[in-house]
Amino acid sequence: DAKTTQPNSMESNEEEPVHLPCNHSTISGTDYIHWYRQLPSQGPEYVIHGLTSNVNNRMASLAIAEDRKSSTLILHRATLRDAAVYYCIPRPTLNTNAGKSTFGDGTTLTVKP
Amino acid sequence: DGGITQSPKYLFRKEGQNVTLSCEQNLNHDAMYWYRQDPGQGLRLIYYSQIVNDFQKGDIAEGYSVSREKKESFPLTVTSAQKNPTAFYLCASSPPGKVNTEAFFGQGTRLTVV
Repeated sequence: DAKTTQPNSMESNEEEPVHLPCNHSTISGTDYIHWYRQLPSQGPEYVIHGLTSNVNNRMASLAIAEDRKSSTLILHRATLRDAAVYYCIPRPTLNTNAGKSTFGDGTTLTVKP
Repeated sequence: DGGITQSPKYLFRKEGQNVTLSCEQNLNHDAMYWYRQDPGQGLRLIYYSQIVNDFQKGDIAEGYSVSREKKESFPLTVTSAQKNPTAFYLCASSPPGKVNTEAFFGQGTRLTVV
């Protein structure tokens, strides 16, 4: 499994953009990059995923480096409800094991009012 | 609404007792998973099942057992052989046959052994 490196914690002010980085230098060429987030005392929830191109959805944007060794999750306007632990997870393309992935310690995002 | 239900949310047991955590899904997903999470740490895979009547050990299966008699249900038993069972337990499921599907998680069961 590809290893990931994320900062332990980050802070943001409310209504400002947040860029959460992830290094995955050993990622396979066919692994997608998934992001999940976990609010306190809850199960993780899916945020976004991508392979090579940048991706946008209603929750966030995902910017993937050209060499695919890193990616950045972008929250365009952080709210207090975005305070959570964010996990970056490489996942095989031919996916029958969506849950069978390694969740590292993630980045704890604190949003200040 | 479709989803994954874990029960109970909080569970207390005496040391040496077996305890079973429930996980039910009505999403028609073939694959189901159990994770353990300790404070301030990420998730670690205990067991997973890709189809009824079949399951595989994950990274930390010792002291745990599972069954998959029905597609909708994947209960986890924490046995007395598990040396440090106090933790937050999460169940997940995912659909088959699609490239790169997301996993859906339950809200977790917090087990405290005293």
